[in-house]
Amino acid sequence: GESVGLHLPTLSVQEGDNSIINCAYSNSASDYFIWYKQESGKGPQFIIDIRSNMDKRQGQRVTVLLNKTVKHLSLQIAATQPGDSAVYFCAETGGTSYDKVIFGPGTSLSVIP
Amino acid sequence: DTAVSQTPKYLVTQMGNDKSIKCEQNLGHDTMYWYKQDSKKFLKIMFSYNNKELIINETVPNRFSPKSPDKAHLNLHINSLELGDSAVYFCASSPDRAGEEKLFFGSGTQLSVL
Repeated sequence: GESVGLHLPTLSVQEGDNSIINCAYSNSASDYFIWYKQESGKGPQFIIDIRSNMDKRQGQRVTVLLNKTVKHLSLQIAATQPGDSAVYFCAETGGTSYDKVIFGPGTSLSVIP
Repeated sequence: DTAVSQTPKYLVTQMGNDKSIKCEQNLGHDTMYWYKQDSKKFLKIMFSYNNKELIINETVPNRFSPKSPDKAHLNLHINSLELGDSAVYFCASSPDRAGEEKLFFGSGTQLSVL
C-alpha cells in the first residue's frame, strides 16, 4: 500500500552544522511532496515543497532534493539553529485538494547549542 | 489574526461522553480537513471537505461526525468517547487551486479520555 517513511526517527546536530532529514516514499504516482515542521504544542507548518518534475528546490536555509529513481526525498537545513529543533514530516500527494496527503512518521531534530 | 483556529485547545472528558471540536479558517480556502495525531506523532487524515461537501472519509468509526455549516467552518463531533480516541486532533485548510495544495494547520486540540 501507500507509505511514506523516514530512515531516522531522531537526529541530533550541533548548532551551526548542516542537517539532513531523509524520507522514502513508495507511491510512484505521487506528484507533489511537502516538508512540514512541527514545534512543540503547535500544528505542522509548511517549510518547502517540490513537484515531481523537479529534483531540487531551495528556500531560505533549506533545500529539498527529490530522487524519483529510488523514491527518496531529503530536507537539508543549512547552519542549523536552536529554533530548528522540532519534528519534521515529509508528505506526499497526487497534487490536488482531492488527493490524500500522506504523512511520513516524522523525525525529531534536536539542536545542541 | 490566527488563520486556522480550533477550540478548545485541551479537552479532558470521561469515557462514553459526547464532545465537539470547532474549527474556523479565515484564509478563504475551499478545502478543510481533520487529522488525528497519535502519541507517536503519526498524522493520519480523517476527513476532507471541499465547499461543504465531504471529499475524503477515511476508515473512521461512525462515532466521528464532521459537520461543515459553511466553507470557513468544519466541526468534529465525537459520540461515546473511548480511551483510544485520546490524541491530538488537527484541523487544516488548503486552497483549491492547482499548485497551492499545501496545508495550513490549526494549533491542535489535545483530547484526553479518562
